[in-house]
Amino acid sequence: DTEVTQTPKHLVMGMTNKKSLKCEQHMGHRAMYWYKQKAKKPPELMFVYSYEKLSINESVPSRFSPECPNSSLLNLHLHALQPEDSALYLCASSQVEGMLQPQHFGDGTRLSIL
Amino acid sequence: GENVGLHLPTLSVQEGDNSIINCAYSNSASDYFIWYKQESGKGPQFIIDIRSNMDKRQGQRVTVLLNKTVKHLSLQIAATQPGDSAVYFCAENISNFGNEKLTFGTGTRLTIIP
Repeated sequence: DTEVTQTPKHLVMGMTNKKSLKCEQHMGHRAMYWYKQKAKKPPELMFVYSYEKLSINESVPSRFSPECPNSSLLNLHLHALQPEDSALYLCASSQVEGMLQPQHFGDGTRLSIL
Repeated sequence: GENVGLHLPTLSVQEGDNSIINCAYSNSASDYFIWYKQESGKGPQFIIDIRSNMDKRQGQRVTVLLNKTVKHLSLQIAATQPGDSAVYFCAENISNFGNEKLTFGTGTRLTIIP
């Protein structure tokens, strides 16, 4: 079982809906990440949080809004998504950014946009 | 069996044989490399990592080799088992002023034939 927990596992939403993806880890990690993975493709980095502050935004459209309320939680708020945003959204964490430690992934939220 | 570079995204190996998965990375400034295993419906699972100041690292049944001269990384799995069937991704890390960015390769699907 993964130590990074993502909810929900599946989400279907319309293009006008607002929803949030949640990620939680209790490993004491201070870096957390959001990735997007399309079918049969590798994960692509979206955002990096380090000590609860946004350190990297990979030019992600503003309809994706990340939030890190505390060191254990990471949210991704979704609004006015497009059908091409349908994908597996993965959360990961690592001990500290910049320390060459592996990222540990959750099992993702599979998102479908109608 | 052996997969050369990224031109053969699938690899089939007889159970009990050894397998080698290859990966060509792109950035000579990459300082850290990770191999992940991703099973259907799950997130990437950490297998083994290696820093750029090393050329070989061994784990349980797995060995990673790094050749910085030709920017090549390989994962050797010994005595393969049915549970080794999955997609394997190499990932290269580039550190920049304390920020880390992990970039994944396109992946290789390994199938273990009973």
